[in-house]
Amino acid sequence: KQEVTQIPAALSVPEGENLVLNCSFTDSAIYNLQWFRQDPGKGLTSLLLIQSSQREQTSGRLNASLDKSSGRSTLYIAASQPGDSATYLCAVGGFNTDKLIFGTGTRLQVFP
Amino acid sequence: EPEVTQTPSHQVTQMGQEVILRCVPISNHLYFYWYRQILGQKVEFLVSFYNNEISEKSEIFDDQFSVERPDGSNFTLKIRSTKLEDSAMYFCASSIGGRGFEQFFGPGTRLTVL
Repeated sequence: KQEVTQIPAALSVPEGENLVLNCSFTDSAIYNLQWFRQDPGKGLTSLLLIQSSQREQTSGRLNASLDKSSGRSTLYIAASQPGDSATYLCAVGGFNTDKLIFGTGTRLQVFP
Repeated sequence: EPEVTQTPSHQVTQMGQEVILRCVPISNHLYFYWYRQILGQKVEFLVSFYNNEISEKSEIFDDQFSVERPDGSNFTLKIRSTKLEDSAMYFCASSIGGRGFEQFFGPGTRLTVL
C-alpha cells in the first residue's frame, strides 16, 4: 500500500532564503507526482506535475525533482517570499488507479 | 483562466440529513473526482467519474454516498444520511485525461454535521 510522507512537517524561514521540501513514497511504481499549495481553509492549487519518466520540472521560482528509484521528490523554492507561506502537499498517482495519494504536508512560513 | 468551482462554500446540517455538494468542473475536462480532508488529516480520495459512471471508488465511498452528472456542467456528491464523522472539507477535482494527467481542484465545501 502506497504511503506518502513529507518532511519537515513545518518550516519557518526568513524572506529570501532558498528552501527544499521533501516528499517520500514507499512504492516506486508511480505514474506521476503532483505538488500542490494549500492556503488556510482554501482549496488546492496545482504547482507542478512530474511524470514518472521525468527527472524534474520547473515553474518560475519552483523546481521539483523526482527520483523514483529512491522514492523521493523535492520541491525547491528559490528566493522565498512571505506570499509563499502556505502548506505544500505532494501527491502520487499510480499505474492502476485514478486516485492521487496525498502526503502529510509541510507548513511553510516565510517571515519578512 | 478556467477553474473548478464549488457550492456552497460552507454547509451546516443535522446528523441524518441528506446533503448535496455541487461542483462545476473545467469545461473541457472529462474526468471528475471527489476528495475529502478531515481537519488535521490528509486529503483522501473518495471517487472518480468518467463517461457518466464511477470508474473507481475508495472504501470510504459506501452506500451513503452517490455521485451524479445531472447535466453538461455540474457534478454532484450526495450524502444520504450524514454522520458526525462526515464533517470535513470536500474537494472536487477534474482533469482533461485520466491517469497521468494533472488534476485541478476546486476551493472546497466545508461540511459541518451537528
